[in-house]
Amino acid sequence: GENVEQHPSTLSVQEGDSAVIKCTYSDSASNYFPWYKQELGKRPQLIIDIRSNVGEKKDQRIAVTLNKTAKHFSLHITETQPEDSAVYFCAASRSNYQLIWGAGTKLIIKP
Amino acid sequence: ETGVTQTPRHLVMGMTNKKSLKCEQHLGHNAMYWYKQSAKKPLELMFVYNFKEQTENNSVPSRFSPECPNSSHLFLHLHTLQPEDSALYLCASSQDPGQGDQPQHFGDGTRLSIL
Repeated sequence: GENVEQHPSTLSVQEGDSAVIKCTYSDSASNYFPWYKQELGKRPQLIIDIRSNVGEKKDQRIAVTLNKTAKHFSLHITETQPEDSAVYFCAASRSNYQLIWGAGTKLIIKP
Repeated sequence: ETGVTQTPRHLVMGMTNKKSLKCEQHLGHNAMYWYKQSAKKPLELMFVYNFKEQTENNSVPSRFSPECPNSSHLFLHLHTLQPEDSALYLCASSQDPGQGDQPQHFGDGTRLSIL
């Protein structure tokens, strides 16, 4: 069935460095790819999303890239800060409402 | 953001108890969802409601029974749960149930522990 694989499961980076989280999806008809951030004890919150008609989207220190041919998409966080520490989830869907979720990446920002 | 509110935040129950989780959204959305979140696993979609009608039931055991009296309220009735049902139960809503590319807004969840 459809699935989304997310790597790495844990990522530790020095404050100020960049972090990259990668996801692959199996359903070539997927056309929507959101990223959610979940801080400890809090709700998942959408931080950025991308649709299949674009290859890259940026919002300040956050960017997402999409390679439809390879069925990969990635989250890039530059100039990481302590408040970036959280679990990040990727997801993919096509034109229905069932998002398929990755297992999450725990991002640790070291001071 | 307080658009999606879940109660209670924490619940401890025995396997023979009956309890209910409540979710309310103040965003004017038309679709509501129940997810189960277990440690180190992807979010598991349990149920989807569009305009109060259940449209998805992802092979969820009958000990979980959803109820959606209107587009703003969603309940999850629990009875005779098992220890493996201990998890964080998240409610979410989105604007248009027919469009896959609608952001979902989550509540803070109910942390459920089964003794």
